Amino acid sequence: SQTIHQWPATLVQPVGSPLSLECTVEGTSNPNLYWYRQAAGRGLQLLFYSVGIGQISSEVPQNLSASRPQDRQFILSSKKLLLSDSGFYLCGFRREGSPLHFGNGTRLTVT
Amino acid sequence: AQSVTQLGSHVSVSEGALVLLRCNYSSSVPPYLFWYVQYPNQGLQLLLKYTTGATLVKGINGFEAEFKKSETSFHLTKPSAHMSDAAEYFCAVTQAAAGNKLTFGGGTRVLVKP
Repeated sequence: SQTIHQWPATLVQPVGSPLSLECTVEGTSNPNLYWYRQAAGRGLQLLFYSVGIGQISSEVPQNLSASRPQDRQFILSSKKLLLSDSGFYLCGFRREGSPLHFGNGTRLTVT
Repeated sequence: AQSVTQLGSHVSVSEGALVLLRCNYSSSVPPYLFWYVQYPNQGLQLLLKYTTGATLVKGINGFEAEFKKSETSFHLTKPSAHMSDAAEYFCAVTQAAAGNKLTFGGGTRVLVKP
């Protein structure tokens, strides 16, 4: 069966520190991968998506970046976190014609 | 371009009463439509989806939604609310061949009163 793992579940980081959130998918190959952010009082904002290794599309200008070093691995990074980066980050995957499935999310608090 | 509007960021219903969550979309081509549910501090779980075929789709936990092209709507309903239905619900739209990006509505938080 297809599963998605996202970690860590919670993270508290000071302003200016780096960030690395990781997401891996099992049970499928060549999925489309997504990073969404859910900020307090807001809906889901698509940050990045990838249709293949090394192919990253950015939806919103920001100080975050994404990478896909392997087919089923998607990493969200930042060199220097801002207070406004706090939120709930969700990784998702999708195959052609199928719904998007999400991981359990990472609650990031930047202090 | 595609977009989703969910009317009402908060909905309060009594246990046993009808749950109705409204979703309107815009899409330049036939849409694929989804409803997701999110419990506190968890990811989103798929409730149901519409792609093609029957316009009334049934999902998990007794929920259903009807695709109405003329109204560009995909409202979610459940005949009788249960306390466990308290959560946040998201409507989402995509197109069959649009890079598979989903656009989400702003979400509706459901409170169930005993």
